[in-house]
Amino acid sequence: GIQVEQSPPDLILQEGANSTLRCNFSDSVNNLQWFHQNPWGQLINLFYIPSGTKQNGRLSATTVATERYSLLYISSSQTTDSGVYFCAVGSEKLVFGKGTKLTVNP
Amino acid sequence: GAVVSQHPSWVICKSGTSVKIECRSLDFQATTMFWYRQFPKQSLMLMATSNEGSKATYEQGVEKDKFLINHASLTLSTLTVTSAHPEDSSFYICSARAWVTANYGYTFGSGTRLTVV
Repeated sequence: GIQVEQSPPDLILQEGANSTLRCNFSDSVNNLQWFHQNPWGQLINLFYIPSGTKQNGRLSATTVATERYSLLYISSSQTTDSGVYFCAVGSEKLVFGKGTKLTVNP
Repeated sequence: GAVVSQHPSWVICKSGTSVKIECRSLDFQATTMFWYRQFPKQSLMLMATSNEGSKATYEQGVEKDKFLINHASLTLSTLTVTSAHPEDSSFYICSARAWVTANYGYTFGSGTRLTVV
């Protein structure tokens, strides 16, 4: 099956810093999503981005499908950005990476 | 749009009893829904694909007799954990895709935290 690798596994930032999270995947897919899981477990859909670039406020994402990777950019990070960020890819069903745990300190 | 509602949010049950978790698509029809399980500090693992009007498809290693899935309508899928044991304690979450909002991807319910005592 498809393999999804996320890096880094852990990231600690000071408030205001920028960061880049990476997602590599092993096969061609027609669906890629980035999620933020909040402390209560809810998955917040950040981007549906099987290809191209999207931006939403301080967050943006880029997927280069031909090279099988996606990047999530967080600018001017805030403490509320803390949590686990998951990349999920697939065609008919989603396979999740192991996530990046982000901690933003005040 | 594209809201998935999951109920209950949390449940505590005694070992040996069964627990039913509901997943509803509120504003769209979902012929296919997905059930995931997440252990603490781990990723989400797909358990099964729920197909409206037919049998669910289970991932390798998932016991179909323990995790009963029923998808009787286009808006409701249920997961029943039968004869629950403490090792079944986990976070269960469902998802579906609203094809009318194809640019949105898959939507997830808020999850159910199951504790078996």
